[in-house]
Amino acid sequence: AQSVAQPEDQVNVAEGNPLTVKCTYSVSGNPYLFWYVQYPNRGLQFLLKYITGDNLVKGSYGFEAEFNKSQTSFHLKKPSALVSDSALYFCAVRPYFSGGYNKLIFGAGTRLAVHP
Amino acid sequence: SQTIHQWPATLVQPVGSPLSLECTVEGTSNPNLYWYRQAAGRGLQLLFYSVGIGQISSEVPQNLSASRPQDRQFILSSKKLLLSDSGFYLCAWTGGSGANVLTFGAGSRLTVL
Repeated sequence: AQSVAQPEDQVNVAEGNPLTVKCTYSVSGNPYLFWYVQYPNRGLQFLLKYITGDNLVKGSYGFEAEFNKSQTSFHLKKPSALVSDSALYFCAVRPYFSGGYNKLIFGAGTRLAVHP
Repeated sequence: SQTIHQWPATLVQPVGSPLSLECTVEGTSNPNLYWYRQAAGRGLQLLFYSVGIGQISSEVPQNLSASRPQDRQFILSSKKLLLSDSGFYLCAWTGGSGANVLTFGAGSRLTVL
């Protein structure tokens, strides 16, 4: 079965330190990969995506993610965390054979807490 | 620019009552539209998607239904709510030059008592 795993329920980081939020996937073919962020009682906001090309993708608010095909991972990173980065982060995968309908498979989410 | 609206933002309904959540998209035409449910502030489950007026695909069997009476309008309904229908419902759309990216509405929080 196709799935997305975010192995950490919560990640705690001190402000100014680098952060990593992990994501691994299991889908057939070459997937499209996404990261979204959700603030309390809000909809999801798009951060970045990987479709093809350079394995390091840069997105909004200083976030980046590295696609690793051999490890089937797409970890989200930021060199220096801000308290305002505290939110719920979702990794999502669109399987290659999804008919173009953007039927994304979402991970369970990782709560990022950045402490002053 | 494109915008997506969802309403109501919050709703408290008794078990057995009907439901109607509405979603509209502005600034685009013929979008693909989606309803997701998020339980307990965590992962999202795709409920329905639509690629055109009157065209609805259901992803999971459930107590809910969806309709698309107009190009940019997507409605989530139920005839009789269950306790298990409680959750945060998110509408999303995609189309145009950013066809690979889902854009979400602000969500509708439903509590069934």
